[in-house]
Amino acid sequence: DAGVTQSPTHLIKTRGQQVTLRCSPKSGHDTVSWYQQALGQGPQFIFQYYEEEERQRGNFPDRFSGHQFPNYSSELNVNALLLGDSALYLCASSFSSSNQPQHFGDGTRLSIL
Amino acid sequence: QQQVKQSPQSLIVQKGGISIINCAYENTAFDYFPWYQQFPGKGPALLIAIRPDVSEKKEGRFTISFNKSAKQFSLHIMDSQPGDSATYFCAAPRSNDYKLSFGAGTTVTVRA
Repeated sequence: DAGVTQSPTHLIKTRGQQVTLRCSPKSGHDTVSWYQQALGQGPQFIFQYYEEEERQRGNFPDRFSGHQFPNYSSELNVNALLLGDSALYLCASSFSSSNQPQHFGDGTRLSIL
Repeated sequence: QQQVKQSPQSLIVQKGGISIINCAYENTAFDYFPWYQQFPGKGPALLIAIRPDVSEKKEGRFTISFNKSAKQFSLHIMDSQPGDSATYFCAAPRSNDYKLSFGAGTTVTVRA
């Protein structure tokens, strides 16, 4: 039973560029959430996708956008990258209900130069 | 708006000892309380979770205790092992709110 998988594992970009991160949820899960984790801090919620729509969004600018595909996989897009966007980006999957535990992937380490 | 406050920030325990991490929450409408374990370079792994209608849950050496009146829940790691050295996060999702609000994390170091 495959868990949550994310790609790529590491990425280096420069300021102003755009990036796309990918996530495949755990088998049987239909909901995908994205989190940003800065070094030494807890994950911060970016948004959640369910039924191919953004269901909830955290306090992140519109430069952060996403997509969910019919097979429940998801992408996170970040435009106009800033130095402060350097972080570990985590994808979590769960069943559609809000009271089901979320399972995380190992993340994508994004470094902005 | 910090919904979950976690302490201590770090702790050091000898092998075989007990590690205790505490979390306090502000909102009463949480569905469940998960704990996550994170190793360097890895994502948070779900360790154990408890629902608010249960006061204690044990899985192996890990126990969650929940005190609803005090709005606190804690993680106890019994017989701590060097392999338990990691950062632990408590979290709480509110009812009808899909995001997880994480505590700030506790770095546990188990000395052999």
